[in-house]
Amino acid sequence: DIQMTQSPSTLSASVGDRVTITCRASQTVGSWLAWYQQTPGKAPKLLIHKASTLETEVPSRFSGTGSGTEFTLTINSLQPDDFATYYCQQYNIYPFTFGPGTKVDVK
Amino acid sequence: QVQVVQSGAEVRKPGSSVKVSCKASGGTFSYYAFSWVRQAPGQGFEWMGGIVPIYGKPSHSRKFQGRVTVTADESTSTVYMELSSLTPEDTAVYYCARGGSTLSENYYYYMDAWGKGTTVSVSS
Repeated sequence: DIQMTQSPSTLSASVGDRVTITCRASQTVGSWLAWYQQTPGKAPKLLIHKASTLETEVPSRFSGTGSGTEFTLTINSLQPDDFATYYCQQYNIYPFTFGPGTKVDVK
Repeated sequence: QVQVVQSGAEVRKPGSSVKVSCKASGGTFSYYAFSWVRQAPGQGFEWMGGIVPIYGKPSHSRKFQGRVTVTADESTSTVYMELSSLTPEDTAVYYCARGGSTLSENYYYYMDAWGKGTTVSVSS
């Protein structure tokens, strides 16, 4: 199975900060990577798919880059609603696997 | 407007089975990829299996091989996940999620519309 790792596991930030989360795959997944946001007690929300395609109605402060084995999610000017846990997921090779998550909390 | 509505919480004894349903509305049901993903308490996500109804044949994670069955009923736009031989380690929230459409993409098992989740508790 493809192993997905994320760094950092926790990130403390303030409103207005620029935040970057890294996701790495144990083998290439091409551009077939998605990013999700989850808040406690809720289902995940898709932010980005195909590494950099922003979902409809997701604010433009979110962006994704990368291909192959290394990907980043960037949040420009962090907003109060952005304090959450973020997960990456590869959907190139079965079984599709998720990263362990990065929790963005208040500094 | 896409909606994914899952069946309600279940409590089971070890060794039994559970079947969770997921009704999707909005879009052409048969051409979308549907996944079942679970999240144990305080843990991350595990993809269990998925199906594109028009293709019929599901895909399952090897971890659950022989224990999980994913099916779809195109007449009711409903996807099902049955998990057998339950143990307490199967206690989790089980999510159904719709992905991309095979009509427009070659890789479609991302998940853009999620159900609210079904809590399955396994305890003697």
